[in-house]
Amino acid sequence: DGGITQSPKYLFRKEGQNVTLSCEQNLNHDAMYWYRQDPGQGLRLIYYSQIVNDFQKGDIAEGYSVSREKKESFPLTVTSAQKNPTAFYLCASSIRGGVSHEQYFGPGTRLTVT
Amino acid sequence: GDSVTQMEGPVTLSEEAFLTINCTYTATGYPSLFWYVQYPGEGLQLLLKATKADDKGSNKGFEATYRKETTSFHLEKGSVQVSDSAVYFCALSSHRTLIQGAQKLVFGQGTRLTINP
Repeated sequence: DGGITQSPKYLFRKEGQNVTLSCEQNLNHDAMYWYRQDPGQGLRLIYYSQIVNDFQKGDIAEGYSVSREKKESFPLTVTSAQKNPTAFYLCASSIRGGVSHEQYFGPGTRLTVT
Repeated sequence: GDSVTQMEGPVTLSEEAFLTINCTYTATGYPSLFWYVQYPGEGLQLLLKATKADDKGSNKGFEATYRKETTSFHLEKGSVQVSDSAVYFCALSSHRTLIQGAQKLVFGQGTRLTINP
């Protein structure tokens, strides 16, 4: 079955440590996205990538980094510079080039930093 | 800039009640409009969408009509079930937010819906 996988589902880290969240898709989509979800808020865009080896900052990129070395994979690193890293992180992908295309979401990773 | 405003939750209804979740938007041009649903502990799934004025999106008994004159895309269902309990997000994308082929969705804050048996 085609879809997006994110691992792990739950992640715990100590303050000051970098952590990398995995996102893999087998939908053959060019575009991939990372969102952050906080309680009572909508999704906010962290980074997006329209094609391999290219990515752009979203609305809240500070303290995060990404890479896009393969079409299928778009890992997100939460660095120690991110002031409030505890959140639910969602990865998504879509066909490139249209405003009406659906974004497909993974199941998310809940990160807790103490 | 573009924005989406949703009815504040939480919303609690009894099974078989009629549901309306309000959504209004601000955007230049002609955005596409979406309703996504998030079940507990999961990612988002597309529920329905509409891409031009007066279009009606529908799925699983839910409906929403793209009203350009009132800049609205209200979600409705005639008879809700316990299994409809979830968080519902209204979202838009427009040519203004389409950046080099990557679609930037603008989300509302979400409305938590609980259906009691």
